[in-house]
Amino acid sequence: AQSVTQLGSHVSVSEGALVLLRCNYSSSVPPYLFWYVQYPNQGLQLLLKYTSAATLVKGINGFEAEFKKSETSFHLTKPSAHMSDAAEYFCAVSEVGGTSYGKLTFGQGTILTVHP
Amino acid sequence: EPEVTQTPSHQVTQMGQEVILRCVPISNHLYFYWYRQILGQKVEFLVSFYNNEISEKSEIFDDQFSVERPDGSNFTLKIRSTKLEDSAMYFCASGEEAGGPYEQYFGPGTRLTVT
Repeated sequence: AQSVTQLGSHVSVSEGALVLLRCNYSSSVPPYLFWYVQYPNQGLQLLLKYTSAATLVKGINGFEAEFKKSETSFHLTKPSAHMSDAAEYFCAVSEVGGTSYGKLTFGQGTILTVHP
Repeated sequence: EPEVTQTPSHQVTQMGQEVILRCVPISNHLYFYWYRQILGQKVEFLVSFYNNEISEKSEIFDDQFSVERPDGSNFTLKIRSTKLEDSAMYFCASGEEAGGPYEQYFGPGTRLTVT
């Protein structure tokens, strides 16, 4: 069975500061990993994905994430936060192959607040 | 840019009533999903649908729930007799890639309120 833990339900940073949102996963088979962002009153938008190619994945809006198998982590970072980054961020895992058709298992979400 | 759409954006219904939530996936996509998010909780997988049949479902997706792709464009979720605990945001998603990684595009959601 797969699971995702996001450390910190709320993260607050100043504009221009580093953003670090933590995600740890558990999966019995090689995983695919995703970060989604949700702005108020909108759906989930894919930020980036890990699909067993490069371990450092670049996404939209300057975000990137690094897959670390030894730590079972997939933390999301952005060097310099912008006010428009304020949103809720979700880490998700899906299992490769077998009978899975891409079921996503989500973490509980992290609300990012950016202060001027 | 193609997007997944959902209607209605908000549905209020009385306990015991049937509701149908509608989704229009992206046109060339092959895989379809429903998820829900109860207020304050995680986004949870309900069901996946491929090749005109359910490919996987969660323990939440009991006999009260059904899905259909009636006309090749719409994808619907029916709840036969709603309960208070069905109140949630329901998200539809679609994906195109055969064999993975099943990158999924989400709709804006339907907020279902059961009174």
